[in-house]
Amino acid sequence: SQQGEEDPQALSIQEGENATMNCSYKTSINNLQWYRQNSGRGLVHLILIRSNEREKHSGRLRVTLDTSKKSSSLLITASRAADTASYFCATEKSNAGNMLTFGGGTRLMVKP
Amino acid sequence: EPEVTQTPSHQVTQMGQEVILRCVPISNHLYFYWYRQILGQKVEFLVSFYNNEISEKSEIFDDQFSVERPDGSNFTLKIRSTKLEDSAMYFCASRGTSASSTDTQYFGPGTRLTVL
Repeated sequence: SQQGEEDPQALSIQEGENATMNCSYKTSINNLQWYRQNSGRGLVHLILIRSNEREKHSGRLRVTLDTSKKSSSLLITASRAADTASYFCATEKSNAGNMLTFGGGTRLMVKP
Repeated sequence: EPEVTQTPSHQVTQMGQEVILRCVPISNHLYFYWYRQILGQKVEFLVSFYNNEISEKSEIFDDQFSVERPDGSNFTLKIRSTKLEDSAMYFCASRGTSASSTDTQYFGPGTRLTVL
């Protein structure tokens, strides 16, 4: 898989359930960032986790990073219909000028 | 809260025409980026810009593309002779005030470019 690949590609859950999305990458990174995109709209930054961090929380979001497995997960707890969107991980590689490499995204649908 | 803005929100052009996409980064940011997203595909890096010069560019960013910071606030992407395959959403992003690699990149709402 390419740098920054999410799985699943699509996820459908009921409101109130938790949603977990995973991201894998291949090279060494400085940090990993998660973004959200509503259909046809801009990218909203959710959370950044540095390569020396293992877990980070922000509201209902929990991100983990396992650099030994080159993987990250995004957990959204107590999901709401408004969480329906595509979620992308993006990695900032070491020695790569801070450019972000995005994965293909997970399309999350939260049914009311 | 400061935000990145982009104009226009939607640009329709004929193949072969020049287009300029405009961005106003967050005011105290020093690092600027352009990305694009073809419909249904991944967001792809185009170019990064710092201290009035390109710091990195991807294979996509060929001679048809150029960037400029014409004044203290705007950051533009020019496509000299558009092709059908340039149709995409173009995102501008800006990043902080230090050389730290742990700053968040903040994205604008995008310009949807349609080449006919």
